Amino acid sequence: GAVVSQHPSWVICKSGTSVKIECRSLDFQATTMFWYRQFPKQSLMLMATSNEGSKATYEQGVEKDKFLINHASLTLSTLTVTSAHPEDSSFYICSAREGGRSYEQYFGPGTRLTVT
Amino acid sequence: TQLLEQSPQFLSIQEGENLTVYCNSSSVFSSLQWYRQEPGEGPVLLVTVVTGGEVKKLKRLTFQFGDARKDSSLHITAAQPGDTGLYLCALGAGNQFYFGTGTSLTVIP
Repeated sequence: GAVVSQHPSWVICKSGTSVKIECRSLDFQATTMFWYRQFPKQSLMLMATSNEGSKATYEQGVEKDKFLINHASLTLSTLTVTSAHPEDSSFYICSAREGGRSYEQYFGPGTRLTVT
Repeated sequence: TQLLEQSPQFLSIQEGENLTVYCNSSSVFSSLQWYRQEPGEGPVLLVTVVTGGEVKKLKRLTFQFGDARKDSSLHITAAQPGDTGLYLCALGAGNQFYFGTGTSLTVIP
């Protein structure tokens, strides 16, 4: 099956710094990638949808200037958490959808972000 | 706005028991997916259902898509400790993809 990787798998950063999370589709071209945030024992909350070469579409309540998303190629999307605060600590998961397959998407293993 | 409501939210059962998880929406959707997620990992796709009334089986798991395509259920027979995890239904709406509220299942040996 299609494989999506995330890097890093976990990161600890100090309050006020920025951290970048990468999401890569390893064996297919992802025309659309999604970024989710998840708190313990809760469901995934969609943060934004990005299409290769265009600006990301953010869900209501998600600050686009704080969570910068770049989908620069068909295999890579990045999420940068700028000026991180402890409340940004969470599990961030990306997923990727192959062009033409409207309902199939593949998830990365997630990135655990802890802001101290 | 939560498009998909799951019930129950938490479920703790003994090994060998049966259980059903429900996923409901106020809107009709064209397809629905069920995922299972273990702590610290991404969700893993279990099944996709696309036809109203469709029933799919995956070993001890039975998935049903409602006739009106507004609800779905997941039934697990003879649950095992390895079934423990967070079960999520999800649907695509246009270019977005949304998850249900989730059901956290614990199977006690």
